[in-house]
Amino acid sequence: AQKVTQAQTEISVVEKEDVTLDCVYETRDTTYYLFWYKQPPSGELVFLIRRNSFDEQNEISGRYSWNFQKSTSSFNFTITASQVVDSAVYFCALMFTGGGNKLTFGTGTQLKVEL
Amino acid sequence: GAGVSQSPSNKVTEKGKDVELRCDPISGHTALYWYRQRLGQGLEFLIYFQGNSAPDKSGLPSDRFSAERTGESVSTLTIQRTQQEDSAVYLCASSLDSGGLGDTQYFGPGTRLTVL
Repeated sequence: AQKVTQAQTEISVVEKEDVTLDCVYETRDTTYYLFWYKQPPSGELVFLIRRNSFDEQNEISGRYSWNFQKSTSSFNFTITASQVVDSAVYFCALMFTGGGNKLTFGTGTQLKVEL
Repeated sequence: GAGVSQSPSNKVTEKGKDVELRCDPISGHTALYWYRQRLGQGLEFLIYFQGNSAPDKSGLPSDRFSAERTGESVSTLTIQRTQQEDSAVYLCASSLDSGGLGDTQYFGPGTRLTVL
């Protein structure tokens, strides 16, 4: 079965704390892509990152970093020195060979960053 | 350049009425997708267009749901005889569709549908 699990429903942190959002996926395919999207209160999904299954290098973009580990089927997302503007729902998604081009989403993690 | 646009942004309708939701993809994007997001949940795939054909309609929940696309531009999602369980945000996305797997999908702001 192809599935994405985001076990953390809601996380609250104080500004400047680091926070990690977990994503665990299931797929039998050897070729697949993983994505993270941010959904701020305005509702529009904002693309953050795409990673293919053959590239396990971690990636850093400013305060954002991603840790992809095929051994544990995880693609975790860390925000360093969180800010109030990071408050949003974050979705992890999977695109796999047998599923065509559609995205299979996790249920999302609501991140609240408070002053 | 302009992103994906959707209209209306909000739609309130009575149970049993038909509704049409519109999506304008990013110019040059040949692939177009419809997803549904129920309150507090993740996104569920509905249908995928490649050009104006729909190779994957597997997510349409019932025959009350249909969609069409004109060329490589506007798409309309139609829900007939709406039911209260159809209440959700309907999101449209588009991508370049280079022919392989993995093209990034860019999303519109969504249409919030409320069925009374």
